[in-house]
Amino acid sequence: GQQVMQIPQYQHVQEGEDFTTYCNSSTTLSNIQWYKQRPGGHPVFLIQLVKSGEVKKQKRLTFQFGEAKKNSSLHITATQTTDVGTYFCAGPDSGGSNYKLTFGKGTLLTVNP
Amino acid sequence: EAQVTQNPRYLITVTGKKLTVTCSQNMNHEYMSWYRQDPGLGLRQIYYSMNVEVTDKGDVPEGYKVSRKEKRNFPLILESPSPNQTSLYFCASSRWLAGVSGELFFGEGSRLTVL
Repeated sequence: GQQVMQIPQYQHVQEGEDFTTYCNSSTTLSNIQWYKQRPGGHPVFLIQLVKSGEVKKQKRLTFQFGEAKKNSSLHITATQTTDVGTYFCAGPDSGGSNYKLTFGKGTLLTVNP
Repeated sequence: EAQVTQNPRYLITVTGKKLTVTCSQNMNHEYMSWYRQDPGLGLRQIYYSMNVEVTDKGDVPEGYKVSRKEKRNFPLILESPSPNQTSLYFCASSRWLAGVSGELFFGEGSRLTVL
């Protein structure tokens, strides 16, 4: 079945440093979503990318969708302690059912103030 | 306020004692889904539903049942819980337009311990 791989699994940075997490799918994705989960919280939607090569920005966060629609990245510029949490990507199952959403295992970001 | 409500938030039970985790959304979403979250394994989909009376298996459906008799409710049923079902469970809902899912709204989570 479809696999969505995320790297790195963990990332620890000093406040002010940049951070990037990468998401790779074994199949072409019709779209990809990104979520953030704060410690002890629930996942919260950040963004959805649909078009090949799409780049979207939300303040210090930059999201990219690869040209082949099989990979994506989330880049945070100048991290802050409020960025702490686990970042997940998710994509629909392209094989049988388009209604299954497969999540990557996430990247846990910790920020040292 | 748009929300997904799960109950109970915390539950400790014993092996074999049937339990139901309720999930309700007030956004008139077509799509609802259950996930379990375990350390190192991320979010794994248990079951999902595209609409009333339409449900399908996710990646880890064994030991679980669901029903969708009303659009707003999507309960998760553990007929005979076992310790390997100890986990954090999330219910989520979204719109589904033109074959593309909208953003998933998650409930606060239900932490289940099976002894």
